[in-house]
Amino acid sequence: DGGITQSPKYLFRKEGQNVTLSCEQNLNHDAMYWYRQDPGQGLRLIYYSQIVNDFQKGDIAEGYSVSREKKESFPLTVTSAQKNPTAFYLCASSHSGNEQFFGPGTRLTVL
Amino acid sequence: ELKVEQNPLFLSMQEGKNYTIYCNYSTTSDRLYWYRQDPGKSLESLFVLLSNGAVKQEGRLMASLDTKARLSTLHITAAVHDLSATYFCAAGDREAAGNKLTFGGGTRVLVKP
Repeated sequence: DGGITQSPKYLFRKEGQNVTLSCEQNLNHDAMYWYRQDPGQGLRLIYYSQIVNDFQKGDIAEGYSVSREKKESFPLTVTSAQKNPTAFYLCASSHSGNEQFFGPGTRLTVL
Repeated sequence: ELKVEQNPLFLSMQEGKNYTIYCNYSTTSDRLYWYRQDPGKSLESLFVLLSNGAVKQEGRLMASLDTKARLSTLHITAAVHDLSATYFCAAGDREAAGNKLTFGGGTRVLVKP
């Protein structure tokens, strides 16, 4: 089955810890995106990548980092510099700027 | 900078009645998407609108796009409980860097019997 997978589904982070969220797609999409969603809010773009080995900051990139070494994978690291990381994180992919398809999400909680 | 505004933010519906959600965007956009999100879940694509006057329908939902007014509407006909969810619109501009989408804040819909 083609689709987007994210892991883990739930993630708990201690203060000062870096954590990495996984996003994999087998849709052969060029572009991938990371969004953050806070309770009762819309989606805000963290980072996006249009091709392998290239990525750009979105609207709220501070405290986050990404890599795009493979077309299928776009992991997101939430660093200790992100002071309020508790949120629902959604990964999406699209082909040539068309419709974005979303993964199931990772819910990150700071302990 | 593209901004997207939805209203209302919350909509309490009675079963069997009709309702409309509005999505306004601030600058030119060549595509408009509607998504549905159930509590604790991801976003599910509902409609893709790519041209002025575009109308798409699926079941009790109908979406339309007026690019001159920079307005899209999501119309719900004879609401049923299964339509309770949060609905998001998102606008994008293919000419903009990264083909990014800008999302509205969402409309939370609760359908009561």
